[in-house]
Amino acid sequence: AQSVTQLDSQVPVFEEAPVELRCNYSSSVSVYLFWYVQYPNQGLQLLLKYLSGSTLVKGINGFEAEFNKSQTSFHLRKPSVHISDTAEYFCAVSVGLGGTSYGKLTFGQGTILTVHP
Amino acid sequence: NAGVTQTPKFRILKIGQSMTLQCTQDMNHNYMYWYRQDPGMGLKLIYYSVGAGITDKGEVPNGYNVSRSTTEDFPLRLELAAPSQTSVYFCASSEGTSIFPSPLHFGNGTRLTVT
Repeated sequence: AQSVTQLDSQVPVFEEAPVELRCNYSSSVSVYLFWYVQYPNQGLQLLLKYLSGSTLVKGINGFEAEFNKSQTSFHLRKPSVHISDTAEYFCAVSVGLGGTSYGKLTFGQGTILTVHP
Repeated sequence: NAGVTQTPKFRILKIGQSMTLQCTQDMNHNYMYWYRQDPGMGLKLIYYSVGAGITDKGEVPNGYNVSRSTTEDFPLRLELAAPSQTSVYFCASSEGTSIFPSPLHFGNGTRLTVT
């Protein structure tokens, strides 16, 4: 079975600093990878996804992530964060051949990003 | 477009009581899911459905039941509430394709406390 590990439970940064949120996964088959963001008292929203093709994927709000198959990682990065980026971020993986996974996601534990002025 | 709507937003139950968490989506998505979120644990899949009349267990189904009589609705039933079911529950939906998994669209959650 697949698993997802987010290496940092909390990441504090100052406004306009760069940030990297780390995610590693384990799976013996092809994977599809996602990052979701959760603002307080809301549901999760999709930030970006890797399905195939280029290993560098860009998402909303200036975030990007790089799929590294050899290191089984999918780290999320932003070169300059804003106060409004304060939220909890979840890495998730879906495995299986094509649609047979039915979109079932395995989530990491979450990383709380706090941006300080 | 409302997306995925969950009711109620909050609920307090006594041990042994039962309740139904409602979920409806207006995007005509085939796939629907129920997740629970516990602090520091991420989200765990409870049940999912790939279409009306078809449901299957996820990772943590014990103590829950679901039904899917229409494409739009996917209610989650708790029969005998236990303190271990205190959590935030999220319903989600996705289009479902035969090639790649579609992104999930989430509701805003139901915060349930069992005392």
